[in-house]
Amino acid sequence: EVQLVESGGGLVQPGGALRLSCAASGFTFSGYEMNWVRQAPGKGLEWVSYISSNGYTTYYADSVRGRFTISRDNAKNSLFLQMNSLRAEDTAVYYCARDTGNDGYNDYWGQGTLVTVSS
Amino acid sequence: SYELTQPPSVSVSPGQMARITCSGDALPKKYAYWYQQNSGQAPVLVIYEDTKRPSGIPERFSGSSSGTMATLTISGAQVEDEGDYYCYSTDSNGNQRVFGGGTKLIVL
Repeated sequence: EVQLVESGGGLVQPGGALRLSCAASGFTFSGYEMNWVRQAPGKGLEWVSYISSNGYTTYYADSVRGRFTISRDNAKNSLFLQMNSLRAEDTAVYYCARDTGNDGYNDYWGQGTLVTVSS
Repeated sequence: SYELTQPPSVSVSPGQMARITCSGDALPKKYAYWYQQNSGQAPVLVIYEDTKRPSGIPERFSGSSSGTMATLTISGAQVEDEGDYYCYSTDSNGNQRVFGGGTKLIVL
Protein backbone atom coordinates (compact mmCIF):
# COMPACT_ATOMS: atom_id res chain seq x y z
CA GLU A 1 0.00 0.00 0.00
CA VAL A 2 1.34 3.39 -1.02
CA GLN A 3 1.76 5.70 1.95
CA LEU A 4 3.02 9.27 2.20
CA VAL A 5 3.36 10.75 5.67
CA GLU A 6 4.29 14.39 6.13
CA SER A 7 5.83 15.83 9.27
CA GLY A 8 7.58 18.96 10.47
CA GLY A 9 4.75 21.46 10.38
CA GLY A 10 4.05 23.86 13.21
CA LEU A 11 3.97 27.47 14.30
CA VAL A 12 6.82 29.71 13.17
CA GLN A 13 7.37 33.46 13.28
CA PRO A 14 7.55 35.57 10.12
CA GLY A 15 11.05 35.42 8.71
CA GLY A 16 11.67 32.07 10.31
CA ALA A 17 12.44 28.68 8.80
CA LEU A 18 10.94 25.21 8.84
CA ARG A 19 11.82 21.88 7.23
CA LEU A 20 9.07 19.55 6.15
CA SER A 21 9.61 15.85 5.60
CA CYS A 22 7.60 13.24 3.75
CA ALA A 23 8.20 9.56 4.45
CA ALA A 24 7.26 7.32 1.54
CA SER A 25 6.50 3.61 1.63
CA GLY A 26 4.77 0.93 -0.42
CA PHE A 27 6.43 1.79 -3.72
CA THR A 28 9.87 2.26 -5.27
CA PHE A 29 10.42 5.86 -4.18
CA SER A 30 13.52 6.37 -6.34
CA GLY A 31 11.47 5.72 -9.46
CA TYR A 32 9.01 8.55 -9.01
CA GLU A 33 8.93 12.29 -9.39
CA MET A 34 7.42 14.11 -6.43
CA ASN A 35 5.63 17.36 -5.67
CA TRP A 36 4.74 19.58 -2.74
CA VAL A 37 1.28 21.15 -2.90
CA ARG A 38 -0.22 23.50 -0.34
CA GLN A 39 -3.65 24.81 0.57
CA ALA A 40 -4.14 27.95 2.64
CA PRO A 41 -7.14 27.98 4.99
CA GLY A 42 -10.31 28.38 2.95
CA LYS A 43 -8.35 28.70 -0.30
CA GLY A 44 -7.59 26.55 -3.30
CA LEU A 45 -4.80 24.13 -4.06
CA GLU A 46 -1.44 25.63 -5.01
CA TRP A 47 1.43 23.66 -6.53
CA VAL A 48 4.64 24.58 -4.70
CA SER A 49 7.55 22.53 -6.02
CA TYR A 50 8.60 19.51 -8.10
CA ILE A 51 11.62 17.23 -8.00
CA SER A 52 12.68 14.59 -10.50
CA SER A 53 13.21 10.99 -9.49
CA ASN A 54 16.99 11.37 -9.23
CA GLY A 55 16.76 14.80 -7.58
CA TYR A 56 18.70 16.58 -10.30
CA THR A 57 15.81 18.65 -11.64
CA THR A 58 13.67 20.93 -9.51
CA TYR A 59 10.97 23.50 -10.25
CA TYR A 60 9.28 26.06 -8.04
CA ALA A 61 6.20 28.23 -8.06
CA ASP A 62 7.00 31.92 -8.42
CA SER A 63 5.61 32.55 -4.93
CA VAL A 64 8.31 30.44 -3.24
CA ARG A 65 11.28 30.51 -5.62
CA GLY A 66 14.41 31.65 -3.83
CA ARG A 67 12.96 30.90 -0.38
CA PHE A 68 12.03 27.20 -0.55
CA THR A 69 14.25 24.26 -1.50
CA ILE A 70 12.97 20.81 -2.39
CA SER A 71 15.23 17.78 -1.98
CA ARG A 72 15.06 14.03 -1.54
CA ASP A 73 16.99 11.13 -0.07
CA ASN A 74 16.21 8.05 -2.14
CA ALA A 75 18.18 5.83 0.22
CA LYS A 76 15.82 6.83 3.02
CA ASN A 77 12.65 7.08 0.92
CA SER A 78 12.20 10.66 2.02
CA LEU A 79 11.19 13.96 0.47
CA PHE A 80 11.96 17.33 2.04
CA LEU A 81 10.96 20.97 1.75
CA GLN A 82 13.23 23.54 3.37
CA MET A 83 11.26 26.74 3.87
CA ASN A 84 13.13 29.95 4.70
CA SER A 85 12.07 33.58 5.07
CA LEU A 86 8.56 32.46 5.85
CA ARG A 87 5.67 34.87 5.42
CA ALA A 88 2.13 34.95 6.74
CA GLU A 89 0.89 34.00 3.28
CA ASP A 90 2.82 30.72 3.49
CA THR A 91 0.36 29.55 6.15
CA ALA A 92 -1.22 26.41 4.71
CA VAL A 93 -1.56 22.67 4.87
CA TYR A 94 1.36 21.22 2.92
CA TYR A 95 0.88 17.94 1.06
CA CYS A 96 3.50 15.76 -0.54
CA ALA A 97 2.23 13.97 -3.60
CA ARG A 98 3.56 11.31 -5.95
CA ASP A 99 3.78 12.32 -9.60
CA THR A 100 2.98 9.84 -12.36
CA GLY A 101 5.61 11.46 -14.58
CA ASN A 102 5.59 12.69 -18.18
CA ASP A 103 3.72 15.88 -17.23
CA GLY A 104 1.20 13.69 -15.49
CA TYR A 105 -0.70 14.08 -12.30
CA ASN A 106 -0.43 13.42 -8.58
CA ASP A 107 -1.85 9.97 -7.94
CA TYR A 108 -1.14 9.59 -4.22
CA TRP A 109 -1.24 12.28 -1.53
CA GLY A 110 -0.24 12.43 2.09
CA GLN A 111 -2.59 13.64 4.81
CA GLY A 112 -0.86 17.02 4.98
CA THR A 113 0.97 18.96 7.66
CA LEU A 114 -0.10 22.42 8.84
CA VAL A 115 2.35 25.30 8.74
CA THR A 116 1.29 28.46 10.54
CA VAL A 117 3.36 31.63 10.14
CA SER A 118 2.41 34.12 12.79
CA SER A 119 3.91 36.29 15.49
CA SER B 1 3.60 32.66 -14.62
CA TYR B 2 1.17 30.21 -16.16
CA GLU B 3 -2.47 30.27 -15.05
CA LEU B 4 -5.53 28.09 -15.42
CA THR B 5 -8.87 29.90 -15.10
CA GLN B 6 -12.02 28.32 -13.67
CA PRO B 7 -15.41 29.83 -12.71
CA PRO B 8 -15.70 30.27 -8.93
CA SER B 9 -18.95 28.36 -8.68
CA VAL B 10 -21.45 26.31 -10.65
CA SER B 11 -24.93 25.55 -9.34
CA VAL B 12 -27.33 22.91 -10.69
CA SER B 13 -30.37 20.98 -9.52
CA PRO B 14 -30.05 17.24 -8.84
CA GLY B 15 -30.18 15.29 -12.09
CA GLN B 16 -29.08 18.23 -14.23
CA MET B 17 -25.87 18.43 -16.21
CA ALA B 18 -23.02 20.36 -14.64
CA ARG B 19 -20.18 21.74 -16.71
CA ILE B 20 -17.00 23.19 -15.25
CA THR B 21 -14.55 24.87 -17.57
CA CYS B 22 -10.80 25.42 -17.34
CA SER B 23 -8.94 27.70 -19.71
CA GLY B 24 -5.20 27.90 -20.25
CA ASP B 25 -2.92 28.82 -23.11
CA ALA B 26 -0.98 25.54 -23.01
CA LEU B 27 -4.00 23.24 -22.98
CA PRO B 28 -3.83 22.60 -26.74
CA LYS B 29 -0.48 20.89 -26.04
CA LYS B 30 -0.83 19.67 -22.46
CA TYR B 31 -3.30 17.36 -20.80
CA ALA B 32 -5.80 18.57 -18.25
CA TYR B 33 -6.51 16.63 -15.09
CA TRP B 34 -9.47 17.12 -12.77
CA TYR B 35 -9.61 16.66 -9.00
CA GLN B 36 -12.55 16.64 -6.63
CA GLN B 37 -11.96 17.80 -3.07
CA ASN B 38 -14.31 17.67 -0.15
CA SER B 39 -13.58 19.86 2.83
CA GLY B 40 -10.40 18.98 4.64
CA GLN B 41 -9.67 15.88 2.61
CA ALA B 42 -6.96 15.11 0.09
CA PRO B 43 -8.03 15.63 -3.54
CA VAL B 44 -9.36 12.71 -5.56
CA LEU B 45 -8.66 12.39 -9.28
CA VAL B 46 -11.84 12.18 -11.36
CA ILE B 47 -10.50 12.69 -14.91
CA TYR B 48 -6.99 12.25 -16.33
CA GLU B 49 -5.45 13.02 -19.72
CA ASP B 50 -8.39 15.22 -20.71
CA THR B 51 -10.98 12.48 -21.12
CA LYS B 52 -10.10 9.33 -19.17
CA ARG B 53 -11.92 8.24 -16.05
CA PRO B 54 -10.08 6.38 -13.27
CA SER B 55 -11.54 3.15 -12.02
CA GLY B 56 -14.11 3.72 -9.32
CA ILE B 57 -15.24 7.09 -10.65
CA PRO B 58 -18.92 7.05 -11.71
CA GLU B 59 -19.68 7.10 -15.43
CA ARG B 60 -21.51 10.40 -15.08
CA PHE B 61 -18.12 12.11 -14.87
CA SER B 62 -16.56 12.88 -18.26
CA GLY B 63 -13.96 15.24 -19.66
CA SER B 64 -13.26 16.96 -22.93
CA SER B 65 -10.78 19.45 -24.29
CA SER B 66 -10.82 21.77 -27.28
CA GLY B 67 -8.28 24.45 -27.99
CA THR B 68 -7.45 26.38 -24.85
CA MET B 69 -10.38 25.04 -22.83
CA ALA B 70 -10.91 21.80 -20.96
CA THR B 71 -14.31 20.88 -19.60
CA LEU B 72 -15.45 18.57 -16.82
CA THR B 73 -19.03 17.39 -17.31
CA ILE B 74 -21.15 15.67 -14.71
CA SER B 75 -24.22 14.20 -16.40
CA GLY B 76 -27.02 13.96 -13.90
CA ALA B 77 -25.28 15.58 -10.96
CA GLN B 78 -25.99 14.09 -7.55
CA VAL B 79 -25.98 15.78 -4.16
CA GLU B 80 -22.92 13.74 -3.25
CA ASP B 81 -21.04 15.38 -6.15
CA GLU B 82 -20.99 18.68 -4.30
CA GLY B 83 -17.50 19.90 -3.54
CA ASP B 84 -14.58 21.80 -4.99
CA TYR B 85 -13.20 20.85 -8.37
CA TYR B 86 -9.73 21.78 -9.60
CA CYS B 87 -8.16 21.43 -13.00
CA TYR B 88 -4.41 20.73 -13.11
CA SER B 89 -1.88 20.92 -15.88
CA THR B 90 1.61 22.13 -16.80
CA ASP B 91 2.94 25.05 -18.76
CA SER B 92 4.09 24.57 -22.35
CA ASN B 93 7.65 23.72 -21.23
CA GLY B 94 6.52 21.15 -18.68
CA ASN B 95 8.25 23.06 -15.90
CA GLN B 96 5.50 24.80 -13.97
CA ARG B 97 2.67 22.72 -12.62
CA VAL B 98 -0.48 24.66 -11.88
CA PHE B 99 -3.93 24.23 -10.41
CA GLY B 100 -6.89 26.24 -11.51
CA GLY B 101 -8.47 28.44 -8.86
CA GLY B 102 -11.14 25.86 -8.15
CA THR B 103 -14.88 25.69 -8.77
CA LYS B 104 -17.41 25.04 -6.03
CA LEU B 105 -20.15 22.76 -7.35
CA ILE B 106 -23.49 23.23 -5.64
CA VAL B 107 -26.20 20.67 -6.23
CA LEU B 108 -29.55 21.64 -4.74
